[in-house]
Amino acid sequence: DAKTTQPNSMESNEEEPVHLPCNHSTISGTDYIHWYRQLPSQGPEYVIHGLTSNVNNRMASLAIAEDRKSSTLILHRATLRDAAVYYCIPYTSGTYKYIFGTGTRLKVLA
Amino acid sequence: DTGVSQNPRHKITKRGQNVTFRCDPISEHNRLYWYRQTLGQGPEFLTYFQNEAQLEKSRLLSDRFSAERPKGSFSTLEIQRTEQGDSAMYLCASSRGYEGTDTQYFGPGTRLTVL
Repeated sequence: DAKTTQPNSMESNEEEPVHLPCNHSTISGTDYIHWYRQLPSQGPEYVIHGLTSNVNNRMASLAIAEDRKSSTLILHRATLRDAAVYYCIPYTSGTYKYIFGTGTRLKVLA
Repeated sequence: DTGVSQNPRHKITKRGQNVTFRCDPISEHNRLYWYRQTLGQGPEFLTYFQNEAQLEKSRLLSDRFSAERPKGSFSTLEIQRTEQGDSAMYLCASSRGYEGTDTQYFGPGTRLTVL
């Protein structure tokens, strides 16, 4: 299983962009990179995923390094509702399970 | 989609009692997963169903734990002779079953407290 390294915590001011990094240097060539977030007292919520190229959706953008050893989740304008724990999860097709790390706790300051 | 639902949301029980949790996945999702999450940690995989077949079980799932998905729809997770170490959030997720990548959608969880 690919190992991930994420900062334990980060802070951002409201309405400013946030870049959440993840190191996954042991990822295999066919592993997807999924990002989830977990708000207090809720289950994890899907944010975005990608394989090789950068991806955008209504929630966030995902920038994947060319060597795929790292990725960055970008929240373009942080709001107070974005305060959560963010998990980066390399997903190996056929394993059917997610291996969560401890994630990054994002604090958004008003 | 109405989302994944779990019941009950909270359960307090005494050590040694049996408890059962229910998960209703998103309709037409043929894969269903159970995870356990303790305070300050990320969720840990417990088991996985493809329709009604239980295809994988984690070593975390001791013989006191049993999960079923009798008709390939809802699932139950039973813990027998609960121990204080079983106190955790139990999360259920479901997915469509696409190859390549398969996004899992999580329910709100059942928080178990064993006294």
